[in-house]
Amino acid sequence: LAKTTQPISMDSYEGQEVNITCSHNNIATNDYITWYQQFPSQGPRFIIQGYKTKVTNEVASLFIPADRKSSTLSLPRVSLSDTAVYYCLVGDPGAAGNKLTFGGGTRVLVKP
Amino acid sequence: NAGVTQTPKFQVLKTGQSMTLQCAQDMNHEYMSWYRQDPGMGLRLIHYSVGAGITDQGEVPNGYNVSRSTTEDFPLRLLSAAPSQTSVYFCASSLRRGLAGYNEQFFGPGTRLTVL
Repeated sequence: LAKTTQPISMDSYEGQEVNITCSHNNIATNDYITWYQQFPSQGPRFIIQGYKTKVTNEVASLFIPADRKSSTLSLPRVSLSDTAVYYCLVGDPGAAGNKLTFGGGTRVLVKP
Repeated sequence: NAGVTQTPKFQVLKTGQSMTLQCAQDMNHEYMSWYRQDPGMGLRLIHYSVGAGITDQGEVPNGYNVSRSTTEDFPLRLLSAAPSQTSVYFCASSLRRGLAGYNEQFFGPGTRLTVL
């Protein structure tokens, strides 16, 4: 499974856009990029998944350049409740077991 | 749907004791997994199952056993608890998809285990 590198922490303010970039230089052809969010004392929650270009849902956008060696999660107009740890994962969701490899994640702190 | 449920929420064991962490899902998911999360760290895969009767080891399987007799349940057994197994344990499930793409894992609320 491809390894990922992302910033350890980021601070932001309410109403701002937060962009978290993840590096995955060894991404394989069948790999997708998936982001999870984890609040304290809770299990991770799926945010978004993509393969290339741009994916948008009601929560976030995911930007993936043509070489797919990095990706950027964009959280528009964050609120205090977006304070959490965000994990970038790379893997083949069609592989047996749908196993996930979590790194350390990015701790996002949203301030008033 | 209750989603993924885990029991107990909290547990304190003494070194050498054994116990079983329960996990159940009502979404008819074929894939189920167990992860552990140590303080300030990401999750690490312990064991996983691709269907009833089929299990395999993950990244950190030593000291743990699993079985999958039904689609719904995936219990994790600690054979002889050690202080190094103090952690938060998460169970997760997902659909088996024939084609790659959009394969969300659903996580339970976790079990906080302390081994003295």
